[in-house]
Amino acid sequence: DIVMTQTPLSSPVTLGQPASISCRSSESLVYSDGNTYLSWFQQRPGQPPRLLIYKISHRFSGVPDRFSGSGAGTDFTLKISRVEAEDVGVYYCMQASQFPYTFGQGTKLEIK
Amino acid sequence: EVQLVESGGGLVQPGGSLRLSCAASGFTFSNYNMIWVRQAPGKGLEWVSYIYISSSVIYYADSVKGRFTISRDNARDSLYLQMDSLTVEDTAVYYCARVVDGVTGADFWGQGTLVTVSS
Repeated sequence: DIVMTQTPLSSPVTLGQPASISCRSSESLVYSDGNTYLSWFQQRPGQPPRLLIYKISHRFSGVPDRFSGSGAGTDFTLKISRVEAEDVGVYYCMQASQFPYTFGQGTKLEIK
Repeated sequence: EVQLVESGGGLVQPGGSLRLSCAASGFTFSNYNMIWVRQAPGKGLEWVSYIYISSSVIYYADSVKGRFTISRDNARDSLYLQMDSLTVEDTAVYYCARVVDGVTGADFWGQGTLVTVSS
């Protein structure tokens, strides 16, 4: 199984400042069709996961442009350009290039 | 509006069974692959199972293989998870999610249903 490792596990951020979360996979996520199926999800307290980013860098419908994704192969990053209060929650990366799908441990974003 | 509504959760004794349902609306259910994902209390997300549009392809996590059965009824716009031989480690909120393979992946999720396995 592909192991997904996120860092940091906790990220205290000042409102208006940037935040960055790293996700590393134990093997390449490049699928046989040439795509890389790495997604990022946000889970606010008491809510289900919400898709933010798919295929490394594609922002899902309705997601603010302060969220961006980057990376390739085994190393990926989610960036928030200016953190807002509504961004508080836990962020997960997930790979869907190979079964079983696997998630990172989650990164808790909180306001300082 | 895309909606996924899970039901069927509850309290069950170890060794017992439970059947979860996921009712879909707001999109053509028969055009989408589906998954179940669970989240133990205070823990992270764990993928449980995947089912193809026609039910011709099914995958399970090793942790549930042989005990859980995923199925769907496209005529009823519904997804199911039959859970047998439950253990305390199966206690979690269970989410269903719509999957667009090759594009957005797991793009819409239900609110979840809580399964508690306890004596």
